[in-house]
Amino acid sequence: KQEVTQIPAALSVPEGENLVLNCSFTDSAIYNLQWFRQDPGKGLTSLLLIQSSQREQTSGRLNASLDKSSGRSTLYIAASQPGDSATYLCASNYGGATNKLIFGTGTLLAVQP
Amino acid sequence: GAGVSQSPRYKVAKRGQDVALRCDPISGHVSLFWYQQALGQGPEFLTYFQNEAQLDKSGLPSDRFFAERPEGSVSTLKIQRTQQEDSAVYLCASSSKKLAGGPNEQFFGPGTRLTVL
Repeated sequence: KQEVTQIPAALSVPEGENLVLNCSFTDSAIYNLQWFRQDPGKGLTSLLLIQSSQREQTSGRLNASLDKSSGRSTLYIAASQPGDSATYLCASNYGGATNKLIFGTGTLLAVQP
Repeated sequence: GAGVSQSPRYKVAKRGQDVALRCDPISGHVSLFWYQQALGQGPEFLTYFQNEAQLDKSGLPSDRFFAERPEGSVSTLKIQRTQQEDSAVYLCASSSKKLAGGPNEQFFGPGTRLTVL
Protein backbone atom coordinates (compact mmCIF):
# COMPACT_ATOMS: atom_id res chain seq x y z
CA LYS A 1 0.00 0.00 0.00
CA GLN A 2 1.30 3.44 -0.91
CA GLU A 3 1.60 5.54 2.24
CA VAL A 4 3.10 8.89 3.19
CA THR A 5 4.36 9.72 6.66
CA GLN A 6 5.37 13.10 8.05
CA ILE A 7 7.57 13.67 11.06
CA PRO A 8 7.29 15.50 13.38
CA ALA A 9 3.53 15.89 13.80
CA ALA A 10 4.09 19.27 15.44
CA LEU A 11 7.01 21.65 15.76
CA SER A 12 7.52 24.92 17.63
CA VAL A 13 10.54 27.11 16.91
CA PRO A 14 11.62 30.66 17.73
CA GLU A 15 11.55 33.24 14.97
CA GLY A 16 14.65 33.29 12.79
CA GLU A 17 15.50 29.62 13.17
CA ASN A 18 16.11 27.37 10.18
CA LEU A 19 14.06 24.18 10.20
CA VAL A 20 13.50 20.94 8.33
CA LEU A 21 10.25 19.06 7.84
CA ASN A 22 10.39 15.41 6.86
CA CYS A 23 8.25 13.33 4.54
CA SER A 24 8.69 9.64 3.74
CA PHE A 25 6.87 7.49 1.21
CA THR A 26 6.68 3.71 0.93
CA ASP A 27 6.77 3.31 -2.86
CA SER A 28 9.84 4.77 -4.56
CA ALA A 29 8.26 4.68 -8.05
CA ILE A 30 7.11 8.22 -7.55
CA TYR A 31 6.12 10.51 -10.44
CA ASN A 32 6.36 13.73 -8.47
CA LEU A 33 6.00 15.06 -4.95
CA GLN A 34 4.21 18.24 -3.94
CA TRP A 35 4.50 20.29 -0.74
CA PHE A 36 1.52 22.32 0.46
CA ARG A 37 0.74 24.78 3.20
CA GLN A 38 -2.66 24.82 4.92
CA ASP A 39 -3.79 27.64 7.16
CA PRO A 40 -6.58 26.99 9.70
CA GLY A 41 -9.96 26.73 7.99
CA LYS A 42 -8.43 27.25 4.57
CA GLY A 43 -7.61 25.20 1.53
CA LEU A 44 -4.17 24.05 0.39
CA THR A 45 -1.60 26.39 -1.11
CA SER A 46 0.96 24.71 -3.33
CA LEU A 47 4.52 25.55 -2.30
CA LEU A 48 6.80 23.38 -4.41
CA LEU A 49 6.53 20.47 -6.84
CA ILE A 50 9.49 18.18 -7.46
CA GLN A 51 9.52 15.88 -10.47
CA SER A 52 11.00 12.39 -10.07
CA SER A 53 13.93 13.41 -12.24
CA GLN A 54 14.82 16.33 -9.97
CA ARG A 55 16.72 16.36 -6.70
CA GLU A 56 15.48 19.67 -5.35
CA GLN A 57 13.40 22.77 -5.94
CA THR A 58 13.73 26.22 -4.41
CA SER A 59 11.32 29.10 -3.94
CA GLY A 60 12.44 32.03 -1.82
CA ARG A 61 13.21 30.79 1.68
CA LEU A 62 11.92 27.30 0.88
CA ASN A 63 13.94 24.40 -0.46
CA ALA A 64 12.53 20.94 -1.04
CA SER A 65 14.61 17.87 -1.78
CA LEU A 66 13.68 14.45 -3.11
CA ASP A 67 15.57 11.18 -2.62
CA LYS A 68 13.66 8.44 -4.39
CA SER A 69 16.01 5.64 -3.38
CA SER A 70 15.45 6.26 0.31
CA GLY A 71 11.80 7.26 -0.08
CA ARG A 72 12.29 10.66 1.51
CA SER A 73 11.65 14.31 0.90
CA THR A 74 12.52 17.27 3.10
CA LEU A 75 11.25 20.83 3.19
CA TYR A 76 13.81 23.30 4.48
CA ILE A 77 12.58 26.69 5.68
CA ALA A 78 15.25 29.33 6.20
CA ALA A 79 14.98 32.20 8.68
CA SER A 80 11.50 31.24 9.86
CA GLN A 81 8.90 33.96 10.49
CA PRO A 82 5.66 33.96 12.50
CA GLY A 83 3.79 34.12 9.18
CA ASP A 84 5.18 30.68 8.35
CA SER A 85 2.99 29.18 11.08
CA ALA A 86 0.65 26.68 9.39
CA THR A 87 0.27 22.97 8.68
CA TYR A 88 2.62 21.66 6.02
CA LEU A 89 1.51 18.67 3.96
CA CYS A 90 3.46 16.59 1.49
CA ALA A 91 1.77 14.50 -1.17
CA SER A 92 3.12 11.85 -3.51
CA ASN A 93 1.89 11.31 -7.05
CA TYR A 94 2.46 7.97 -8.78
CA GLY A 95 1.01 9.01 -12.12
CA GLY A 96 -1.03 6.27 -13.73
CA ALA A 97 -4.51 6.93 -15.03
CA THR A 98 -5.45 9.33 -12.27
CA ASN A 99 -2.50 11.32 -10.95
CA LYS A 100 -4.20 11.34 -7.57
CA LEU A 101 -2.23 12.68 -4.63
CA ILE A 102 -1.51 10.59 -1.55
CA PHE A 103 -1.09 12.87 1.45
CA GLY A 104 0.68 12.63 4.75
CA THR A 105 -1.05 13.81 7.91
CA GLY A 106 0.98 17.00 8.02
CA THR A 107 3.34 18.86 10.35
CA LEU A 108 1.84 21.67 12.41
CA LEU A 109 4.45 24.43 12.59
CA ALA A 110 4.36 27.27 15.11
CA VAL A 111 6.97 30.02 14.82
CA GLN A 112 7.16 32.02 18.02
CA PRO A 113 7.89 35.78 17.75
CA GLY B 1 -6.96 34.75 -13.10
CA ALA B 2 -9.26 33.34 -10.50
CA GLY B 3 -8.28 30.23 -8.64
CA VAL B 4 -10.44 27.24 -7.82
CA SER B 5 -13.64 28.26 -6.09
CA GLN B 6 -16.04 26.15 -4.06
CA SER B 7 -19.51 26.74 -2.68
CA PRO B 8 -20.93 26.75 -0.17
CA ARG B 9 -17.98 27.30 2.15
CA TYR B 10 -19.93 25.85 5.07
CA LYS B 11 -22.87 23.46 5.08
CA VAL B 12 -24.79 22.09 8.03
CA ALA B 13 -27.11 19.19 7.28
CA LYS B 14 -29.35 17.04 9.38
CA ARG B 15 -28.66 13.33 9.21
CA GLY B 16 -30.50 11.87 6.26
CA GLN B 17 -30.54 15.03 4.14
CA ASP B 18 -29.01 15.23 0.68
CA VAL B 19 -26.31 17.83 -0.01
CA ALA B 20 -24.65 19.17 -3.15
CA LEU B 21 -21.22 20.75 -3.18
CA ARG B 22 -20.00 22.80 -6.12
CA CYS B 23 -16.53 23.28 -7.57
CA ASP B 24 -15.46 25.81 -10.20
CA PRO B 25 -11.99 24.85 -11.45
CA ILE B 26 -9.44 27.17 -12.97
CA SER B 27 -10.61 28.03 -16.47
CA GLY B 28 -9.25 25.63 -19.06
CA HIS B 29 -8.06 23.01 -16.59
CA VAL B 30 -8.67 19.54 -17.94
CA SER B 31 -8.33 17.55 -14.74
CA LEU B 32 -10.52 17.89 -11.66
CA PHE B 33 -10.18 16.07 -8.36
CA TRP B 34 -12.28 15.75 -5.21
CA TYR B 35 -10.69 14.99 -1.85
CA GLN B 36 -12.11 14.49 1.63
CA GLN B 37 -10.24 15.78 4.68
CA ALA B 38 -11.25 14.60 8.12
CA LEU B 39 -10.25 16.64 11.15
CA GLY B 40 -6.54 16.33 11.87
CA GLN B 41 -5.87 14.20 8.81
CA GLY B 42 -4.46 14.72 5.36
CA PRO B 43 -6.84 14.86 2.40
CA GLU B 44 -7.91 11.56 0.87
CA PHE B 45 -8.74 11.07 -2.79
CA LEU B 46 -12.38 10.59 -3.75
CA THR B 47 -12.71 10.88 -7.53
CA TYR B 48 -11.11 12.22 -10.70
CA PHE B 49 -12.45 13.74 -13.92
CA GLN B 50 -10.67 14.36 -17.19
CA ASN B 51 -12.92 16.82 -18.95
CA GLU B 52 -16.43 15.38 -18.51
CA ALA B 53 -15.29 11.79 -18.09
CA GLN B 54 -15.09 10.36 -14.59
CA LEU B 55 -12.01 8.17 -14.93
CA ASP B 56 -11.57 7.12 -11.32
CA LYS B 57 -14.12 6.93 -8.54
CA SER B 58 -12.29 4.40 -6.44
CA GLY B 59 -12.11 6.70 -3.41
CA LEU B 60 -15.84 7.32 -3.03
CA PRO B 61 -16.67 5.76 0.34
CA SER B 62 -20.14 4.50 -0.52
CA ASP B 63 -22.83 4.57 -3.18
CA ARG B 64 -24.33 7.56 -1.37
CA PHE B 65 -21.56 9.66 -2.92
CA PHE B 66 -21.96 10.77 -6.52
CA ALA B 67 -19.97 13.27 -8.59
CA GLU B 68 -20.54 14.77 -12.01
CA ARG B 69 -18.94 17.21 -14.41
CA PRO B 70 -21.36 17.25 -17.35
CA GLU B 71 -19.75 19.97 -19.47
CA GLY B 72 -16.16 19.46 -18.47
CA SER B 73 -15.93 22.54 -16.29
CA VAL B 74 -18.01 22.92 -13.12
CA SER B 75 -18.33 19.81 -10.96
CA THR B 76 -20.82 18.83 -8.28
CA LEU B 77 -20.28 16.33 -5.49
CA LYS B 78 -23.56 15.01 -4.16
CA ILE B 79 -24.00 13.09 -0.93
CA GLN B 80 -27.31 11.37 -0.38
CA ARG B 81 -28.79 10.50 3.01
CA THR B 82 -25.90 12.13 4.88
CA GLN B 83 -24.45 10.41 7.94
CA GLN B 84 -22.41 11.87 10.79
CA GLU B 85 -19.27 10.17 9.49
CA ASP B 86 -19.60 12.28 6.33
CA SER B 87 -18.64 15.37 8.35
CA ALA B 88 -15.39 16.62 6.85
CA VAL B 89 -13.90 19.28 4.61
CA TYR B 90 -14.40 18.50 0.93
CA LEU B 91 -11.63 19.89 -1.25
CA CYS B 92 -11.65 20.32 -4.99
CA ALA B 93 -8.47 20.63 -7.07
CA SER B 94 -7.77 21.19 -10.74
CA SER B 95 -4.79 20.63 -12.96
CA SER B 96 -3.98 21.83 -16.44
CA LYS B 97 -2.29 18.78 -17.89
CA LYS B 98 -3.48 15.39 -18.93
CA LEU B 99 -1.44 12.43 -17.69
CA ALA B 100 1.25 12.40 -20.29
CA GLY B 101 4.18 14.80 -20.14
CA GLY B 102 5.14 17.69 -17.96
CA PRO B 103 4.34 18.57 -14.36
CA ASN B 104 0.76 18.29 -13.24
CA GLU B 105 0.63 20.54 -10.25
CA GLN B 106 -2.75 20.51 -8.55
CA PHE B 107 -4.35 23.73 -7.36
CA PHE B 108 -6.85 23.54 -4.55
CA GLY B 109 -9.96 25.47 -3.65
CA PRO B 110 -10.81 26.67 -0.13
CA GLY B 111 -12.99 23.64 0.58
CA THR B 112 -16.52 23.11 1.85
CA ARG B 113 -16.81 22.24 5.53
CA LEU B 114 -19.73 19.84 5.93
CA THR B 115 -21.19 19.20 9.36
CA VAL B 116 -23.84 16.52 9.70
CA LEU B 117 -25.88 16.73 12.89
